[in-house]
Amino acid sequence: EDKVVQSPLSLVVHEGDTVTLNCSYEVTNFRSLLWYKQEKKAPTFLFMLTSSGIEKKSGRLSSILDKKELSSILNITATQTGDSAIYLCAVEATPYNNNDMRFGAGTRLTVKP
Amino acid sequence: ETGVTQTPRHLVMGMTNKKSLKCEQHLGHNAMYWYKQSAKKPLELMFVYNFKEQTENNSVPSRFSPECPNSSHLFLHLHTLQPEDSALYLCASSQEVVGAYEQYFGPGTRLTVT
Repeated sequence: EDKVVQSPLSLVVHEGDTVTLNCSYEVTNFRSLLWYKQEKKAPTFLFMLTSSGIEKKSGRLSSILDKKELSSILNITATQTGDSAIYLCAVEATPYNNNDMRFGAGTRLTVKP
Repeated sequence: ETGVTQTPRHLVMGMTNKKSLKCEQHLGHNAMYWYKQSAKKPLELMFVYNFKEQTENNSVPSRFSPECPNSSHLFLHLHTLQPEDSALYLCASSQEVVGAYEQYFGPGTRLTVT
């Protein structure tokens, strides 16, 4: 059965800390892995990863995919209170011509002042 | 600013009511999606439309009925809902269904079934 597992489920840090969020998956016909940030509204897209070993960066956030280990990490350096959110990992697979996505349960990150 | 809009933003309905959620995307995308976000649950994919054709129904109860009249508009018709259907309903769009295209989400409709 296809599944996406995120860890930890919740994390509390202080401003300035660096955090690493994990996402592992088991899906057939893997196509891409996506990270979203969800606050009190719709999730906002962070990264899409399709190739193993290529780091994507956006400001203090970065992410990398390891297809051999079937996993991805999301790093946030110098965390700020505004980084507090649920971080969702989703894996896209393509059985036949349809698109299918599996979401993890999310990691709830709380950054304290 | 998101190119995907949803109306209404909030909706309270009784179990015997019939209502519809509307989603519109201004991004020229060909694929649209409905998601359900319940409290303490992962985001759940409900329906997928590609070029106005439904390509996926994730075992969604028939009390939810989607409609996609064109690639820019997506509706979710609701009837005889249950209290457990209360959730945030998110619409998303992407350039295509097949291919590594990111999805753009609307702000969601917060639905409360009383």
